[in-house]
Amino acid sequence: DIQLTQSPSFLSASVGDRVTITCRASQGISSSLAWYQQKPEKAPKLLIHTASTLQSGVPSRFSGSGSGTEFTLTISSLQPEDFATYYCQQRKSYPITFGGGTKVEIK
Amino acid sequence: EVQLVESGGGLVQPGGSLRLSCAASGFTFSDHYMDWVRQAPGKGLEWVGRIRMKVNGSTTEYAASVKGRFTISRDDSKNSLYLQMNSLKTEDTAVYYCARAARLGQGFYLDYWGQGTLVTASS
Repeated sequence: DIQLTQSPSFLSASVGDRVTITCRASQGISSSLAWYQQKPEKAPKLLIHTASTLQSGVPSRFSGSGSGTEFTLTISSLQPEDFATYYCQQRKSYPITFGGGTKVEIK
Repeated sequence: EVQLVESGGGLVQPGGSLRLSCAASGFTFSDHYMDWVRQAPGKGLEWVGRIRMKVNGSTTEYAASVKGRFTISRDDSKNSLYLQMNSLKTEDTAVYYCARAARLGQGFYLDYWGQGTLVTASS
């Protein structure tokens, strides 16, 4: 199975900060990676697919990059509604796997 | 508007069975792969399994943790997805989400999710 390791698992940031979350895959997955945002008691929401393609309707302050084994999700200017938990997910091979999550909290 | 609505969750004893349903609307259900994803209380997301379209034989994939105990099926005439869960264990306790797997780029990603239904396996 392909393991995805996210870092950090928790980060505290202020509104307006630039935030970067990293996801490392245990083996190369080309660009077969997505990022999801989940708010408490809500279903996850797809933000980015194919490592860097913004899903329709997602604000442009979100961006993704990377390929192979290292990927990043960047929020260019953190907004109050961005405080949530973020997950990466690979679709390169079964079983589909998710990273452990990164919780972004208000400093 | 795409909507996915899960139902069928509840309290079940370890070793018991439960069948979850997911009612889909707002899109052509038969044209999409569908997934189940679960989330144990206070934990991260865990993929449960996938069912492909009828044109692909409605074939399925499962996580190792549920293979042989869980079965995913679909009824395109009812726009419905199912998860039959047998031999439930306490570690199966989770919110279960159904999600649409859309072809985006060169692969399938989960672009719409239901609100989830809670399954509690406990004596």
